[in-house]
Amino acid sequence: DAEITQSPRHKITETGRQVTLACHQTWNHNNMFWYRQDLGHGLRLIHYSYGVHDTNKGEVSDGYSVSRSNTEDLPLTLESAASSQTSVYFCASSGDISGNEQFFGPGTRLTVL
Amino acid sequence: EDKVVQSPLSLVVHEGDTVTLNCSYEVTNFRSLLWYKQEKKAPTFLFMLTSSGIEKKSGRLSSILDKKELFSILNITATQTGDSAVYLCAVRANMLTFGGGTRLMVKP
Repeated sequence: DAEITQSPRHKITETGRQVTLACHQTWNHNNMFWYRQDLGHGLRLIHYSYGVHDTNKGEVSDGYSVSRSNTEDLPLTLESAASSQTSVYFCASSGDISGNEQFFGPGTRLTVL
Repeated sequence: EDKVVQSPLSLVVHEGDTVTLNCSYEVTNFRSLLWYKQEKKAPTFLFMLTSSGIEKKSGRLSSILDKKELFSILNITATQTGDSAVYLCAVRANMLTFGGGTRLMVKP
């Protein structure tokens, strides 16, 4: 069955370290998204991609970067982790051109000490 | 800036009750409104609404959109403990903007 996976599921890191969160989908979807979820803020869009080599900034992109070298993967990199980036991160993908029905991965809980 | 507001923030009911969750929005270039259910893990898709006045139904859940008044409601009838979750509303404009969610707890 097609799916979307994230790794690691839990990560603890220190301030200033570079961290990369992986997202892999086997739906063959063109559209992929990264969100963070914090209490009181719901889900906020970090970056998104509509296809290979396409990346776009979302609402809260500062301090994060993505690259899309193939259809299946959209890794999210925190260049220099900050405590404010402690959050739960969700990756999602969608097949339709409007990006409406998004399928979410299981999430990565990141703690920055 | 696109904005999506959900109310109430949280709700506690008993099994068998009917609940109504609200979602209001202010966005530029509205395309669609989506409802998701989030239990302990990732959000799962419930409905997508694009036209006013057309009710979407799935079992005990139903939703309707009012594009003139800029809101949507999600109704759950005959609630069960398995309905306990956070319900998220999202509006698709230039990108997908999520509300903060309504946490529903259904007691036996």
